[in-house]
Amino acid sequence: SYVLTQPPSVSVAPGKTARITCGGNNIGSKSVHWYQQKPGQAPVLVIYYDSDRPSGIPERFSGSNSGNTATLTISRVEAGDEADYYCQVWDSSSDGAIFGTGTKVTVL
Amino acid sequence: EVQLVESGGGLVQPGGSLRLSCAASGFTFSSYWMSWVRQAPGKGLEWVANIKQDGSEKYYVDSVKGRFTISRDNAKNSLYLQMNSLRAEDTAVYYCARVLYSSGPDAFDIWGQGTMVTVSS
Repeated sequence: SYVLTQPPSVSVAPGKTARITCGGNNIGSKSVHWYQQKPGQAPVLVIYYDSDRPSGIPERFSGSNSGNTATLTISRVEAGDEADYYCQVWDSSSDGAIFGTGTKVTVL
Repeated sequence: EVQLVESGGGLVQPGGSLRLSCAASGFTFSSYWMSWVRQAPGKGLEWVANIKQDGSEKYYVDSVKGRFTISRDNAKNSLYLQMNSLRAEDTAVYYCARVLYSSGPDAFDIWGQGTMVTVSS
């Protein structure tokens, strides 16, 4: 089955840029979606269709997808961005959604 | 306000059954694919099942096939997950989620708060 690989953790200083990668075989041919999950809360969609932002999501969140890697970029990181982030695609071979392994973002 | 509210979780013995419900409000429920997604304690997200608007198509992750059944009642704006032959590894928070759809199912744009299922003797 299709596998999405993320780094377990990313640390970033306030005001700097965090980049979270999501690796998958030819992931550039798929639509990638990103979720933010804070402790004890449900996930929140922050990027969909590779680079679109739902209403209410700050412009600091952006996404890209090419080749074998999709990337979620958080600019001007704030303390409130500290959370787990998951990438997700739909896998047509299994008719199901696949989530990445998740990345914990720590704001120093 | 667009909202999903799950209920029905609890403690159940291995081999037992449980039925989860998800009440939708603030949008036209019958126009959307819907899904269940779970998260074991301290673990990542795992898609469980999804169902088409009219219930005519249903898909499941391999680990629950033959044990779980997803269903919906559009007249009641409700989604269900019937879970039978429960195992310890089914212990998780179960989320109901609305599915965005273009040429196929895509992102989960609305999530409920989740309901905890614990399978233990």
